[in-house]
This record gives sequence, C-alpha cells and structure tokens, in this order.
Amino acid sequence: KAGVTQTPRYLIKTRGQQVTLSCSPISGHRSVSWYQQTPGQGLQFLFEYFSETQRNKGNFPGRFSGRQFSNSRSEMNVSTLELGDSALYLCASSLLAGMNTEAFFGQGTRLTVV
Amino acid sequence: GESVGLHLPTLSVQEGDNSIINCAYSNSASDYFIWYKQESGKGPQFIIDIRSNMDKRQGQRVTVLLNKTVKHLSLQIAATQPGDSAVYFCAENGGGYNKLIFGAGTRLAVHP
Repeated sequence: KAGVTQTPRYLIKTRGQQVTLSCSPISGHRSVSWYQQTPGQGLQFLFEYFSETQRNKGNFPGRFSGRQFSNSRSEMNVSTLELGDSALYLCASSLLAGMNTEAFFGQGTRLTVV
Repeated sequence: GESVGLHLPTLSVQEGDNSIINCAYSNSASDYFIWYKQESGKGPQFIIDIRSNMDKRQGQRVTVLLNKTVKHLSLQIAATQPGDSAVYFCAENGGGYNKLIFGAGTRLAVHP
C-alpha cells in the first residue's frame, strides 16, 4: 500500500512568487492535514481537510490556503512568498474523520525562498 | 540531510541501553497522544499512540506512559539500536479535528 506522496520534494522560489504543493493521501484516507516545519518554530499545523471541506485551520496568514479534491488529493498554496516561508511542508493523512486517529506523514516538500 | 532542529535537547545513549524520552503536553483537554520519529530528510514516522483512558501502552521495543495529573508523556525504547537515532516528537490532539500539537522534539543519539 503506497504511503503519503508529496510533490515536488524540493522547490526554490523567489520572494513575491507563489507556490503550489501537492499531497496524495494513503488510499482510502479522506482526511488530509498540512504542517509547516522550521528549526525555530518546530512543527505547526496549517489546516485540515475532510471530504473537500476545511474543518480546522492554524494561525497562519491568509497567504496560506489549501483545497481538497473529490479523490482526497490535496494542494496547498502560498502566495506572495516571504523569506520566512522557507520550511519543510508536511502532509499527513488519516483514515477516519474523528479526532483520535493515526496520522501518517509524507516525506515533505522542502521550500526555499530566496 | 536537512536539519530538523538545530538546538534540540539531545539524549545520548549506548547501544543496547534503554532510552527514556520525556514530553510535557499543554492542553489538559487532550485525550489522544502520538509519538513520532523523524530521521534526517524524512517525514515523521508514527511509532505508538495512547488514549487518555490508558496510562501505559506497549509496542515492539517501545512503551508509552501517560501521566494526566502532571500532563506528562514518556517514550521508553528498550535495547536501543543505532537505527533508533533520530528526533522524537510527542503530539497531542488538543486542537480539534486531526490537528496535532507537537512538542519541540528530542534528538536521540545512539553510540556503539
């Protein structure tokens, strides 16, 4: 069974540009969450989607957005990139809709903003 | 590989010894906890979870202890191996649907 797949693995973007990251969850999983990981702030929750609906959102500016498709694949978008957006962006998928379910992570997308 | 955290607390152990990694969680309403292992250049890997109606759960070579009174979690790794070297994170579900709140992490260094 394939794990969580994130593409691309690495990205280099310039300040002011926008970027779209993709996540394919484990087959059958309908919940997808996104996290930002930096050395200074650690792992921070961005948002969670279930059945194409955003159910939960972290404390990030509106430049960070996401969506989920009917096949549960998800994308996140960051507009007007800033140097501080450089991070590892991680996607996690969960089988169930509730709060107490295992979350399985992908390898992440390493975004560097120059 | 990429650095997960440049200034994380580090636990150094000898191969074969038992390791204990501790974590204090923040939300007394949290009722589900997970330990993750993250190796350099990889995403967090699920190790073991525990629900708040339990105080101990065992897996293969790992045990998680939960003390709700003092909001404390620990991960015990028996007979630590070089392959256990990684950063370990605890996470709690105190933020709502599938929103995990992560601890800062502990780097485990296993020496032969």
